[in-house]
Amino acid sequence: GENVEQHPSTLSVQEGDSAVIKCTYSDSASNYFPWYKQELGKGPQLIIDIRSNVGEKKDQRIAVTLNKTAKHFSLHITETQPEDSAVYFCAASISFREKLTFGTGTRLTIIP
Amino acid sequence: SQTIHQWPATLVQPVGSPLSLECTVEGTSNPNLYWYRQAAGRGLQLLFYSVGIGQISSEVPQNLSASRPQDRQFILSSKKLLLSDSGFYLCAWSVGPGELFFGEGSRLTVL
Repeated sequence: GENVEQHPSTLSVQEGDSAVIKCTYSDSASNYFPWYKQELGKGPQLIIDIRSNVGEKKDQRIAVTLNKTAKHFSLHITETQPEDSAVYFCAASISFREKLTFGTGTRLTIIP
Repeated sequence: SQTIHQWPATLVQPVGSPLSLECTVEGTSNPNLYWYRQAAGRGLQLLFYSVGIGQISSEVPQNLSASRPQDRQFILSSKKLLLSDSGFYLCAWSVGPGELFFGEGSRLTVL
């Protein structure tokens, strides 16, 4: 089955700096790659996703890049703000199976 | 709009006691339903998923079971809890491939 590895497990950045979280996946058939943000005491929420037919997608300060050849994808957050502090999960799936395999999460802390 | 309700939010149970966590979804029909467990440093582990009433697939053999008695109701149960069952349990739903919508979670502590 699919295996998703996520790095780093913890990340601290100064407010205003950029943060990058990286994930690799094992199943070359995977074609859907979402990122979820989990705030303290809450369930995860989708913040951005990318499908295999594009290499990059941006939404304001958040961007995701995908390298299908290398089987890795990354989340980029620019101009970080205190409210970006949370746990971030990457995931991958073969869409017709409709099940996501999640990475182990990255705890991002923004230092004021 | 669609909403998902999960309860109880927290519970503390002794080893060997039963468990019932309930999840309901409103505003959609025939959703796919999921139970995940989140343990520290281990991310989100899929426990069960269901594509319809009475249809349950188990991802990980364990001390837990799931049932879907109604289209938008998903229940996680155990007859006898173990210490290792402690964790943060999340219910989620989706319609087809794509975005999962998670509930607020239930934190279970087994003593």
